[in-house]
Amino acid sequence: GQQLNQSPQSMFIQEGEDVSMNCTSSSIFNTWLWYKQDPGEGPVLLIALYKAGELTSNGRLTAQFGITRKDSFLNISASIPSDVGIYFCAGQRGSNYKLTFGKGTLLTVNP
Amino acid sequence: DAGVIQSPRHEVTEMGQEVTLRCKPISGHDYLFWYRQTMMRGLELLIYFNNNVPIDDSGMPEDRFSAKMPNASFSTLKIQPSEPRDSAVYFCASSSSGGGQPQHFGDGTRLSIL
Repeated sequence: GQQLNQSPQSMFIQEGEDVSMNCTSSSIFNTWLWYKQDPGEGPVLLIALYKAGELTSNGRLTAQFGITRKDSFLNISASIPSDVGIYFCAGQRGSNYKLTFGKGTLLTVNP
Repeated sequence: DAGVIQSPRHEVTEMGQEVTLRCKPISGHDYLFWYRQTMMRGLELLIYFNNNVPIDDSGMPEDRFSAKMPNASFSTLKIQPSEPRDSAVYFCASSSSGGGQPQHFGDGTRLSIL
């Protein structure tokens, strides 16, 4: 199936550092979602974006819906060890309820 | 609130056997989705239902896969006969109707076909 281009594939950072990851697509999406997956668990929704240009925060997490509707980024400020996991972006088109997922960014935080 | 509940959490079986994965969506959600996750292909949508009716099964890999939703609180994904390449983590997710409502995932079934 179609995939979003998510980068980076992995990140190794020190506790306290800020993190940024992004997703790009050749197609337009009407909704962008960011999920986090911990080992042995399902993806958990972090942030949902519904309008082009929208900037939304959830605690230390901030995400933006790109103006072109073809990209989104997620920032994590002041990382902590529990931020470790795989972060996925997902896009949704119109009234179609199908989600297209990126391949994920594996985040490792060194205490 | 109870989230999406999947069973079993782990399944190990020999190739050729029938495998049935189960899902209970969040109460009140009218959309249900089945995904497969592998290292190579990431998260792939297999099929989704709306009000218990299959809407799009274009992601179902082949005829060995089938899914049913006999009522609003239960769905199954069946593989018969199973093959080693079916080994993956299978997730069920549900959402409510309305534009852009996010999907909520269960914890998955880790399937290993020997």
